[in-house]
Amino acid sequence: AQSVSQHNHHVILSEAASLELGCNYSYGGTVNLFWYVQYPGQHLQLLLKYFSGDPLVKGIKGFEAEFIKSKFSFNLRKPSVQWSDTAEYFCAVSLHGSSNTGKLIFGQGTTLQVKP
Amino acid sequence: ETGVTQTPRHLVMGMTNKKSLKCEQHLGHNAMYWYKQSAKKPLELMFVYNFKEQTENNSVPSRFSPECPNSSHLFLHLHTLQPEDSALYLCASSQDRENTEAFFGQGTRLTVV
Repeated sequence: AQSVSQHNHHVILSEAASLELGCNYSYGGTVNLFWYVQYPGQHLQLLLKYFSGDPLVKGIKGFEAEFIKSKFSFNLRKPSVQWSDTAEYFCAVSLHGSSNTGKLIFGQGTTLQVKP
Repeated sequence: ETGVTQTPRHLVMGMTNKKSLKCEQHLGHNAMYWYKQSAKKPLELMFVYNFKEQTENNSVPSRFSPECPNSSHLFLHLHTLQPEDSALYLCASSQDRENTEAFFGQGTRLTVV
């Protein structure tokens, strides 16, 4: 069965520190890849997405992620975090080429706490 | 504001009650989804609707009954729930074509007592 694994459940960083959140997926076919963020009390919103092409994708708020096909990974990075990045981060995959792009398999999420 | 609105935001219900969750999207999408977000578990897909037709039921117990009267509205009817059904229920929508993303509502926080 397909699955998504996020290695870090809870990350605590100081402002200006660099961030990398790991995400690995298990699926034999081609996938679409997503990172969603959920700020406290708010809805899930898309940070960035990968469908095809350049494996290094840039998203909102200075986030980027790199798709490494050989490692089945899609790690999220940010060079310098801010206190406002405190949130829960979810990695998700969907089947590439499917019209049901909302049919997502999620990782368990990583809670990021940024200390001012 | 995502264009996906869920009501109510919070709901407390007894195990013998019947209640409904509502989702409305203003994005012109034609696929809608229900997800369940429980503590310490990944978001789980429950149901998928395309053009008002249910195309997926992810082994959800029958005490959860979805309804999609049109492409803009999605309901989740609840009856005889269990305390372990307490969770955040998220609605999402997407365009019915390749390489798009899903948009999520803010969710309904359900507590079953």
